Amino acid sequence: KNEVEQSPQNLTAQEGEFITINCSYSVGISALHWLQQHPGGGIVSLFMLSSGKKKHGRLIATINIQEKHSSLHITASHPRDSAVYICAVTIHGSSNTGKLIFGQGTTLQVKP
Amino acid sequence: AAGVIQSPRHLIKEKRETATLKCYPIPRHDTVYWYQQGPGQDPQFLISFYEKMQSDKGSIPDRFSAQQFSDYHSELNMSSLELGDSALYFCASSYTGGPGNTIYFGEGSWLTVV
Repeated sequence: KNEVEQSPQNLTAQEGEFITINCSYSVGISALHWLQQHPGGGIVSLFMLSSGKKKHGRLIATINIQEKHSSLHITASHPRDSAVYICAVTIHGSSNTGKLIFGQGTTLQVKP
Repeated sequence: AAGVIQSPRHLIKEKRETATLKCYPIPRHDTVYWYQQGPGQDPQFLISFYEKMQSDKGSIPDRFSAQQFSDYHSELNMSSLELGDSALYFCASSYTGGPGNTIYFGEGSWLTVV
C-alpha cells in the first residue's frame, strides 16, 4: 500500500462543475503539497499545507491532520484546469521540505 | 519573474552512454531538489543540496551523481545509462529562510535512452 493515496485516479467533469480530489496518507507529515502537472511535464506548486485550509482563486485545499486526509477543491471548473493533480507529503521531522513522497496523481479532464 | 530553469529539455542517449542534466534555481534560492518520474509512475525524490552540500538522498542509483556549484546551479550526472533510466527528471528549488519554504519546480528534462 502506498504511503500517499489519491482518489479518484481519473476524473472527467463538465465545465462549471465543482471538483474534489482526495488524498490520504499513512505517515506522520510536517507538510502536504498539492501540485499541478500539465502535459509536457511542468509542475506547479499550488498549495503547501500543515493545517486548516487555504484558498487561491478558484482552488481550495483543506487538511485534517487527525484523519490524515486532505482535499483539493476546484470551483467553477474550466477546461484549462485539465491537468494531473498530485498530492505529496514531507515526512514529519524532516527539515528537508522538498524530500517529498508523491501520490500517484489524479488526471482531471474538464469538458466544455 | 525568473523560474527554475532546466536544460536540456529533451535528451536522447544510447545505452551505456553518459548524460548530464542542469538545473538553475530561482535567484537567491539555496536548496535544489532532483526528482525522477518514469513513464506512468509517481515522481521519486532522488537527492537534494543545501548551500552546495548534499542535504538528503533518496532513491538515486549509484550510477548517478550530482552536485551543487558555487552559483547554486546543480548538475545531475548519469552514467552507464540503461533503458529504465528513460524518464522525466525535474528539479525544484527553495529558499530555506523564506516563509513556508515554498518549493518551485522546473519544467523538467525528458531523457530517452535507446
